[in-house]
Amino acid sequence: QVQLVESGGGAVQPGRSLRLSCAASAFTFNYYVMYWVRQAPGKGLEWVSAISYDGTSEYYADSVKGRFTISRDNGKNAVYLQMNSLRPEDTALYYCARDAGGGGSGNYFWAKWIDSWGQGTLVTVSS
Amino acid sequence: NFMLTQPHSVSESPGKTVTISCTRSSGSIGSNYVQWYQQRPGSSPTTVIYEDNQRPSGVPDRFSGSIDSSSNSASLTISGLRTEDEADYYCQSYDGSTLVFGGGTQLTVL
Repeated sequence: QVQLVESGGGAVQPGRSLRLSCAASAFTFNYYVMYWVRQAPGKGLEWVSAISYDGTSEYYADSVKGRFTISRDNGKNAVYLQMNSLRPEDTALYYCARDAGGGGSGNYFWAKWIDSWGQGTLVTVSS
Repeated sequence: NFMLTQPHSVSESPGKTVTISCTRSSGSIGSNYVQWYQQRPGSSPTTVIYEDNQRPSGVPDRFSGSIDSSSNSASLTISGLRTEDEADYYCQSYDGSTLVFGGGTQLTVL
């Protein structure tokens, strides 16, 4: 079945950077929009970013725009989140997730909901 | 962007029926599909309803979804409550290319 495995989380000081990775398997990766969604401790889900199936379009929540960059490598079946200028409020469990759409043969469908989630990687920003 | 507002918590007894609401702050609830995710403690979310009222395979028919234009809200109804249904539930829709999540509702089955 679909597998999404995040890595790269850890503890960092405010203002520093961190790069998250998500390794995908068991599906045709380049057919799908991919997301990062985060969850602060004891809080709800917050959409962070999305990237188109081919990596040409990126979308960000206002809270991270200008600081975070999403990217993907379809040859490696991986999606990344480069996080710069980290703030204490960025402390959260970061999930990699797959859009429920997909496609192929030149036809792609962006469903705008999530059908698969990773287990998450924890980012802690604190001095 | 609009917001999705959910009750912070609900509780009900095993075997009963509970409904969780999700109210859209602006724009029509019917403009964009609504999904519902279940998140048990310590686990990643899973989808229980998509496209307003569709159930993924493997989700029991005790779970149902609906939308109500008059209240501009979506609802998740769980019938025949079981202790395993105790979890946080999140509604989600979208605004252009942005996913919008509700704040979540903690369901207690007692």
